[in-house]
Amino acid sequence: RKEVEQDPGPFNVPEGATVAFNCTYSNSASQSFFWYRQDCRKEPKLLMSVYSSGNEDGRFTAQLNRASQYISLLIRDSKLSDSATYLCVVNERGSTLGRLYFGRGTQLTVWP
Amino acid sequence: NAGVTQTPKFQVLKTGQSMTLQCAQDMNHEYMSWYRQDPGMGLRLIHYSVGAGITDQGEVPNGYNVSRSTTEDFPLRLLSAAPSQTSVYFCASSYSGTGSHEQYFGPGTRLTVT
Repeated sequence: RKEVEQDPGPFNVPEGATVAFNCTYSNSASQSFFWYRQDCRKEPKLLMSVYSSGNEDGRFTAQLNRASQYISLLIRDSKLSDSATYLCVVNERGSTLGRLYFGRGTQLTVWP
Repeated sequence: NAGVTQTPKFQVLKTGQSMTLQCAQDMNHEYMSWYRQDPGMGLRLIHYSVGAGITDQGEVPNGYNVSRSTTEDFPLRLLSAAPSQTSVYFCASSYSGTGSHEQYFGPGTRLTVT
């Protein structure tokens, strides 16, 4: 079973739409959670960390449900520039060695 | 700061050839790692290093060697290239090895093995 599972999409939404991505992880000992963004043929870049209480950064809201081992990312008022692949990333509790596990990514296309 | 740099950007190898992918960072990060990204597979960890002189294997280390003689550089060596090693390779670095810090990725090396 893969450590991190994501719906690969693709999600195709119009500008201004709200879209949500989900991610599940298999290891209950996972400690840190992130969403990375990857543009076509580019390197991944950190979008936001995910905190237990949930957190928001502008139009982006991340939620964590430890009981269900579930992470979500909500994008409000989608922009054309939000088109990218979104990667769910977790690392394990007690891992002092920075082992991160990446989901396969969810592809988003925002159309005008 | 240049961040994380990788060379070359593109490479074509014949089966059996060897080569080294270069990675350097100028952020004084202790932790560096190599990933490969294949369609539908996500990023998979090849090797990582928590500091100069210390390296360890990740999820898919076979066919690759690494060394870390300085904090700045973390080259990845392909010993005898195989078509299964056709992939995009990303080098990454972060402040520490605890996994709680942002990983900075290089622009990637696109490798084709024929």
